[in-house]
Amino acid sequence: KAGVTQTPRYLIKTRGQQVTLSCSPISGHRSVSWYQQTPGQGLQFLFEYFSETQRNKGNFPGRFSGRQFSNSRSEMNVSTLELGDSALYLCASSWVPGNEQFFGPGTRLTVL
Amino acid sequence: QKEVEQNSGPLSVPEGAIASLNCTYSDRGSQSFFWYRQYSGKSPELIMFIYSNGDKEDGRFTAQLNKASQYVSLLIRDSQPSDSATYLCAVNEANAGKSTFGDGTTLTVKP
Repeated sequence: KAGVTQTPRYLIKTRGQQVTLSCSPISGHRSVSWYQQTPGQGLQFLFEYFSETQRNKGNFPGRFSGRQFSNSRSEMNVSTLELGDSALYLCASSWVPGNEQFFGPGTRLTVL
Repeated sequence: QKEVEQNSGPLSVPEGAIASLNCTYSDRGSQSFFWYRQYSGKSPELIMFIYSNGDKEDGRFTAQLNKASQYVSLLIRDSQPSDSATYLCAVNEANAGKSTFGDGTTLTVKP
């Protein structure tokens, strides 16, 4: 069974630009969560989606948004990028919310 | 106070020894508990999950949960150099896909 896939794996952007990251969950998994990982802050929760609905949102500014499609694939968008947005963005999927989550390889975003 | 706290590292044990990793959480509504292993430059890998009080064993790994004390631990028996990694404790509320992570404990197993 294929694992969680994320695209792209690496991104370099400049301040002010926007970026869209994609996540395909494990087949059959309907819950997708996004996390930001930085050396200083650790793993921070961004969003949780289940059945195309955002169920939870972390403490991030409105520049961070996301969505989930009917096939459970999810995207997150960051607008007006700032230097501090440089991080590893991780997507995790599970059968349903609360079950064990499996992480994708992440997208490493660098903002210059 | 952080919502999920892990014992400060780094933790160093000799090969073959038992490594003990500890985690406390503040939200009494927490229902699901996970341990992840993360190698440098890689994403977290799920190694154990536990939902009920008591012990859960899987190979060399044992997770222990005590909801009354708000405490979850991970024991690694017969530690191997390949176990050297950062171990992350994560806690979820009931039926929630939001995980709150601790800062992690870095384990080094010396040959």
